[in-house]
Amino acid sequence: KAGVTQTPRYLIKTRGQQVTLSCSPISGHRSVSWYQQTPGQGLQFLFEYFSETQRNKGNFPGRFSGRQFSNSRSEMNVSTLELGDSALYLCASSLRLADGHEQFFGPGTRLTVL
Amino acid sequence: AQTVTQSQPEMSVQEAETVTLSCTYDTSESNYYLFWYKQPPSRQMILVIRQEAYKQQNATENRFSVNFQKAAKSFSLKISDSQLGDTAMYFCAFIPGGGADGLTFGKGTHLIIQP
Repeated sequence: KAGVTQTPRYLIKTRGQQVTLSCSPISGHRSVSWYQQTPGQGLQFLFEYFSETQRNKGNFPGRFSGRQFSNSRSEMNVSTLELGDSALYLCASSLRLADGHEQFFGPGTRLTVL
Repeated sequence: AQTVTQSQPEMSVQEAETVTLSCTYDTSESNYYLFWYKQPPSRQMILVIRQEAYKQQNATENRFSVNFQKAAKSFSLKISDSQLGDTAMYFCAFIPGGGADGLTFGKGTHLIIQP
């Protein structure tokens, strides 16, 4: 089975721009979650999509948004980028978040905001 | 809201030794799951072990085992016969049974296995 893939792997943007990250989950997984990893704040949950609906959301501003397509692929968008958005963005797929199902992580997208 | 605390930012042991990583958590949930994830320098997060809170028995996966103390809200990871490939960041994580708020992670412990 192919693992979780994320594209692009690296991105450099400037403040004020917007960015879209993509995540393709493991075949058969309908839940896709996004996490932000920074040295200061550690790993933080952004949101989860299940069957094209946002089911859970972390404590992030509205500049962070996402969507999920019918094939379960998910995109995350960050508008009006700030320097503090520089981070490793991890996507994880699972059968569902409930009941403690294992989340399989992708390799991440490293976003640098200049 | 739940919190996860890892009190050891960094640990270093010799190859083949046994090492224990500490984790405590705080929650008002009665149904939840706990995990240890490993993140090597490649940054790929890998599940090491999973524990269901309603199970008394401690989870074990080959050289990895946990000591789950529910009343104390403690969830430590023991690595036996440590290997060079075990060098990585280790994150303790919590998720309530319903999955709300996703995984809550601790700050991590950087484990270094010395040859």
